[in-house]
Amino acid sequence: DAGVIQSPRHEVTEMGQEVTLRCKPISGHDYLFWYRQTMMRGLELLIYFNNNVPIDDSGMPEDRFSAKMPNASFSTLKIQPSEPRDSAVYFCASSLWWRDTDTQYFGPGTRLTVL
Amino acid sequence: DAKTTQPNSMESNEEEPVHLPCNHSTISGTDYIHWYRQLPSQGPEYVIHGLTSNVNNRMASLAIAEDRKSSTLILHRATLRDAAVYYCILIYGGATNKLIFGTGTLLAVQP
Repeated sequence: DAGVIQSPRHEVTEMGQEVTLRCKPISGHDYLFWYRQTMMRGLELLIYFNNNVPIDDSGMPEDRFSAKMPNASFSTLKIQPSEPRDSAVYFCASSLWWRDTDTQYFGPGTRLTVL
Repeated sequence: DAKTTQPNSMESNEEEPVHLPCNHSTISGTDYIHWYRQLPSQGPEYVIHGLTSNVNNRMASLAIAEDRKSSTLILHRATLRDAAVYYCILIYGGATNKLIFGTGTLLAVQP
């Protein structure tokens, strides 16, 4: 398996523009997670899905952020409108199951810069 | 969620063992101890996890104190490739595998 795939790897946009980040989880994994990493706040869990259904979105910073998972092999994280403080590396991860012993597999991340 | 405390940074020499400590004094009986690491410019990767007994795998060993209030990740022979941020994370037993990352330990490996 190719692992978790994220696109684009780098995104530079201007304040106010819509940004869409994409993720393809490992085939057969039922759980998908979105994280954000900044110098100030470290790695934060934004939202996670089970079988395409959002389970916990308590980490989503505000209404400008939305995430969808239309099918088992694709998820998007959208920011509209984007702001400079959204600049961060966004990681997607997937896991086979929900158990506390289960491993999460992370993608390479998307580095977002909002000017 | 129970919290963990790790040193901000540590240094090691190549091919020497490294012991990375983690304190988790408020751990509950069903919390699993997981370690992940993040190499420069990469996403985190799983290293090892355990509940009560010491664990070994091809990457590392995990030594868990008898009272479970602390644990130590052991890299038996550090290589330059092991330079990374190492995160010790507690996962609430039985209900989820949500990862709550702390600040981790930045490990530098000197040649």
